Amino acid sequence: EPEVTQTPSHQVTQMGQEVILRCVPISNHLYFYWYRQILGQKVEFLVSFYNNEISEKSEIFDDQFSVERPDGSNFTLKIRSTKLEDSAMYFCASSRTSRQETQYFGPGTRLLVL
Amino acid sequence: GENVEQHPSTLSVQEGDSAVIKCTYSDSASNYFPWYKQELGKRPQLIIDIRSNVGEKKDQRIAVTLNKTAKHFSLHITETQPEDSAVYFCAASRVGGGADGLTFGKGTHLIIQP
Repeated sequence: EPEVTQTPSHQVTQMGQEVILRCVPISNHLYFYWYRQILGQKVEFLVSFYNNEISEKSEIFDDQFSVERPDGSNFTLKIRSTKLEDSAMYFCASSRTSRQETQYFGPGTRLLVL
Repeated sequence: GENVEQHPSTLSVQEGDSAVIKCTYSDSASNYFPWYKQELGKRPQLIIDIRSNVGEKKDQRIAVTLNKTAKHFSLHITETQPEDSAVYFCAASRVGGGADGLTFGKGTHLIIQP
């Protein structure tokens, strides 16, 4: 069964550095999402992406964040200048269509900002 | 925006007994309610979902009920087994025009006592 994949699984960075988290959604899916989960807390929506543009974003997704689909398979989340509070597990998800709402999550990237 | 409340935060039941987790939502326009199971360090996995045009859905030992008037929905697990131990998240979204992010509850840590 196809799965969403994410790289790296873990990333440690210094505060103020840029990080790029990568995701490969399921191949016939059209809608892509990023979520984050701070340790011990709930999963929080960051942004959704369809047809090469952002569809919806939360208040967490400020100017420090950006998303891109640089080619036909990858979907990336960039944090320009990381803060300590960006430390979290970042999950990518994808769904085939909006009407088929099931979102399939990747394994996550654990980001630690020092 | 949508707000999802989930109770209890921790639930301990004897193996073989039933478990019930309850969620309420605030946005009457929400029309899609999935439940995810997350084992320690792993990705959230969809276990069941319900759309607002039905009141109940069942899949083997798992069932979900939805009360649109009261804006609450519940997860029922019968004949619990040790492998049901995990954190369960309810979520809500308004599916329709575009890619709609999920709003999650804070999670319920379900512990199955042998």
